Amino acid sequence: EAQVTQNPRYLITVTGKKLTVTCSQNMNHEYMSWYRQDPGLGLRQIYYSMNVEVTDKGDVPEGYKVSRKEKRNFPLILESPSPNQTSLYFCASSLAGDNQPQHFGDGTRLSIL
Amino acid sequence: QQPVQSPQAVILREGEDAVINCSSSKALYSVHWYRQKHGEAPVFLMILLKGGEQKGHDKISASFNEKKQQSSLYLTASQLSYSGTYFCGTEDPSGGSYIPTFGRGTSLIVHP
Repeated sequence: EAQVTQNPRYLITVTGKKLTVTCSQNMNHEYMSWYRQDPGLGLRQIYYSMNVEVTDKGDVPEGYKVSRKEKRNFPLILESPSPNQTSLYFCASSLAGDNQPQHFGDGTRLSIL
Repeated sequence: QQPVQSPQAVILREGEDAVINCSSSKALYSVHWYRQKHGEAPVFLMILLKGGEQKGHDKISASFNEKKQQSSLYLTASQLSYSGTYFCGTEDPSGGSYIPTFGRGTSLIVHP
C-alpha cells in the first residue's frame, strides 16, 4: 500500500531532551516536506527536500533540523525541544515537478513539557 | 508566505451550498485544495492550474481567477461527509519550490 509513515504517532517528553520523528515513504517520491499544525495557524512548512542531500528552510525552521540521506526517509530532529514546539506534525511527499498532489502521513502529536 | 483563506468557518445544514476562497499577494501559479477530517491527515481534493485546467475531485468544483489572484472552492448540496477543515496551498516556483505553502484553513461543519 502506498503510504507515508511517521513515527512515533504520539510523544510526551521534556524540555531539552533531543528527539527524532521519522518519516518514510514507499512511493519513490522525490519531494518531501515537514509541516506543523497549530490551532488557527494552519499548516506551516518547516523544511522541505527536493532531492537526496538537498534540503531547504520553510517558513518556520527555527529549532528544527532535517536530513535526506536516502530518498525514502526524511527525519525531523529537535535537538533541544522547547514547549513552544508542542504541536501536531505532518510529513508529506510528492513526485517531482509542479502540480503534484501531496501525500501526508498520519501525523505526530508532540508534547514538550 | 501563506495564502489567505476566507471565511475562517462555515456552518451549514445538509443540502446547502458553501464557497471557500483562497487568495494570494503573489501571482498564482497553481492552487491545491485539501480536506482534513478531525484527527486525520489532510487529503488531496484537486489542483487548479493557470489557464483554467482542473484536476481531481469530481464532486466538488473550484475556480481559478488569475487576475484576482484567487481560487474558490464550491461545495454544492453539502453532505455530512463534507465536514472538516479545508486548506488551500499555493506553489511559488519563483522561490525555487513546487511544494505548496498552505493557508490557515476553513472549518466546515455540516449539520443534519
